[in-house]
Amino acid sequence: DQQVKQNSPSLSVQEGRISILNCDYTNSMFDYFLWYKKYPAEGPTFLISISSIKDKNEDGRFTVFLNKSAKHLSLHIVPSQPGDSAVYFCAAIDNAGNMLTFGGGTRLMVKP
Amino acid sequence: DTAVSQTPKYLVTQMGNDKSIKCEQNLGHDTMYWYKQDSKKFLKIMFSYNNKELIINETVPNRFSPKSPDKAHLNLHINSLELGDSAVYFCASTGEANTGELFFGEGSRLTVL
Repeated sequence: DQQVKQNSPSLSVQEGRISILNCDYTNSMFDYFLWYKKYPAEGPTFLISISSIKDKNEDGRFTVFLNKSAKHLSLHIVPSQPGDSAVYFCAAIDNAGNMLTFGGGTRLMVKP
Repeated sequence: DTAVSQTPKYLVTQMGNDKSIKCEQNLGHDTMYWYKQDSKKFLKIMFSYNNKELIINETVPNRFSPKSPDKAHLNLHINSLELGDSAVYFCASTGEANTGELFFGEGSRLTVL
């Protein structure tokens, strides 16, 4: 039973345009959401997070939006760069501090 | 300096063997984890270890056992390896378990023949 879902396994975007990666979750106890980025042959690296008390968090080119009523979050990257090409994992953790639950990942390809 | 390091990076072995993967972190973190990334690329938690408290994902077979000689190390032992154990295993650590902000190692690719 997947509690965190990324329904798009891949996304292709032109350099300079916006990349939007989506994530849905089912567990209403989740209260902290994160995005991780993973390059081949490397471990995931933390990118950006958002608390459930917020609906937006911005860090440079990266913005995460949270819609609690829809149990949906998204990561916006603008402008997209070729170096952003990687697999992006959505993740969530509940308010009891239980273990981080990951989505299946979305492979982003930014074309020059 | 690598913050979270795992060895070996690649491991090929026969079914039925026993193997270990080592993990060390030099970040001074209190909590360490093992994750498994299967063939479908899902990252699934196996264990969490904090101040000698072990939390086990109930779906993990008891052939898998974590061992922590000290706070900086969390090794993964696997007995009687099976074909389905083939995966990439990631070690991770954090100083703030409630935030979910983990530092991952590079992964150890295990292939069971």
